Amino acid sequence: QSALTQPASVSGSPGQSIIISCTGTSSDVGGYNYVSWYQQHPGKAPKLMIYDVSNRPSGVSNRFSGSKSGNTASLTISGLQTEDEADYYCSSYTSSSTYVFGTGTKVTVL
Amino acid sequence: EVQLVQSGAEVRKPGESLKMSCKASGYSFPTEWIGWVRQMPGKGLEWMGIIYPGDSDTRYSPSFQGQVTISADKSINTAYLQWSSLKASDSAIYYCARFSGGYGANWGQGTLVTVSS
Repeated sequence: QSALTQPASVSGSPGQSIIISCTGTSSDVGGYNYVSWYQQHPGKAPKLMIYDVSNRPSGVSNRFSGSKSGNTASLTISGLQTEDEADYYCSSYTSSSTYVFGTGTKVTVL
Repeated sequence: EVQLVQSGAEVRKPGESLKMSCKASGYSFPTEWIGWVRQMPGKGLEWMGIIYPGDSDTRYSPSFQGQVTISADKSINTAYLQWSSLKASDSAIYYCARFSGGYGANWGQGTLVTVSS
């Protein structure tokens, strides 16, 4: 069970939009609509940002959105803000009835 | 309000055992999956395993199968993660999370484990 593949880093200026990709296989991302995204600031626990591919939990800014095409899911952050600087992880349910995380992406606000 | 409160930081020597806890409140503990996630120093999140407290159905990531034991006591709304013989490479932060549907809806604060001779 290999980790889902994410870019190591993505950066953008305040106000810009960035997209983080998350590539898996037909046994995880491509096979289920159970993709979620987590934000983690240094020294803090992960925080759920998107669930079931494109749903936002209550309290999460609508600047965060998710989508999926085939074996690749994506997280878009619009109107980038300094507080969005953090690590982001995708996760997917798998055909083994387990879960797998992505490799993680460090978002830098320039 | 859903809360997951984990036990405090631990320091152990290689070969020693350890059992950490995650106490849940604010939801029906027996009817939702609870999972464990490892984060080694400076590294990413790794999914370890998950348990359904209602019937103790447990699933492990292949990477952690046989290395740790996940259990739960529904009478006290608490999940556990344990090792029988720690290695230095087990040094990490461990998080528990309530899995509502296919995602970690709520997370504990994390437990730091240091294994060193």
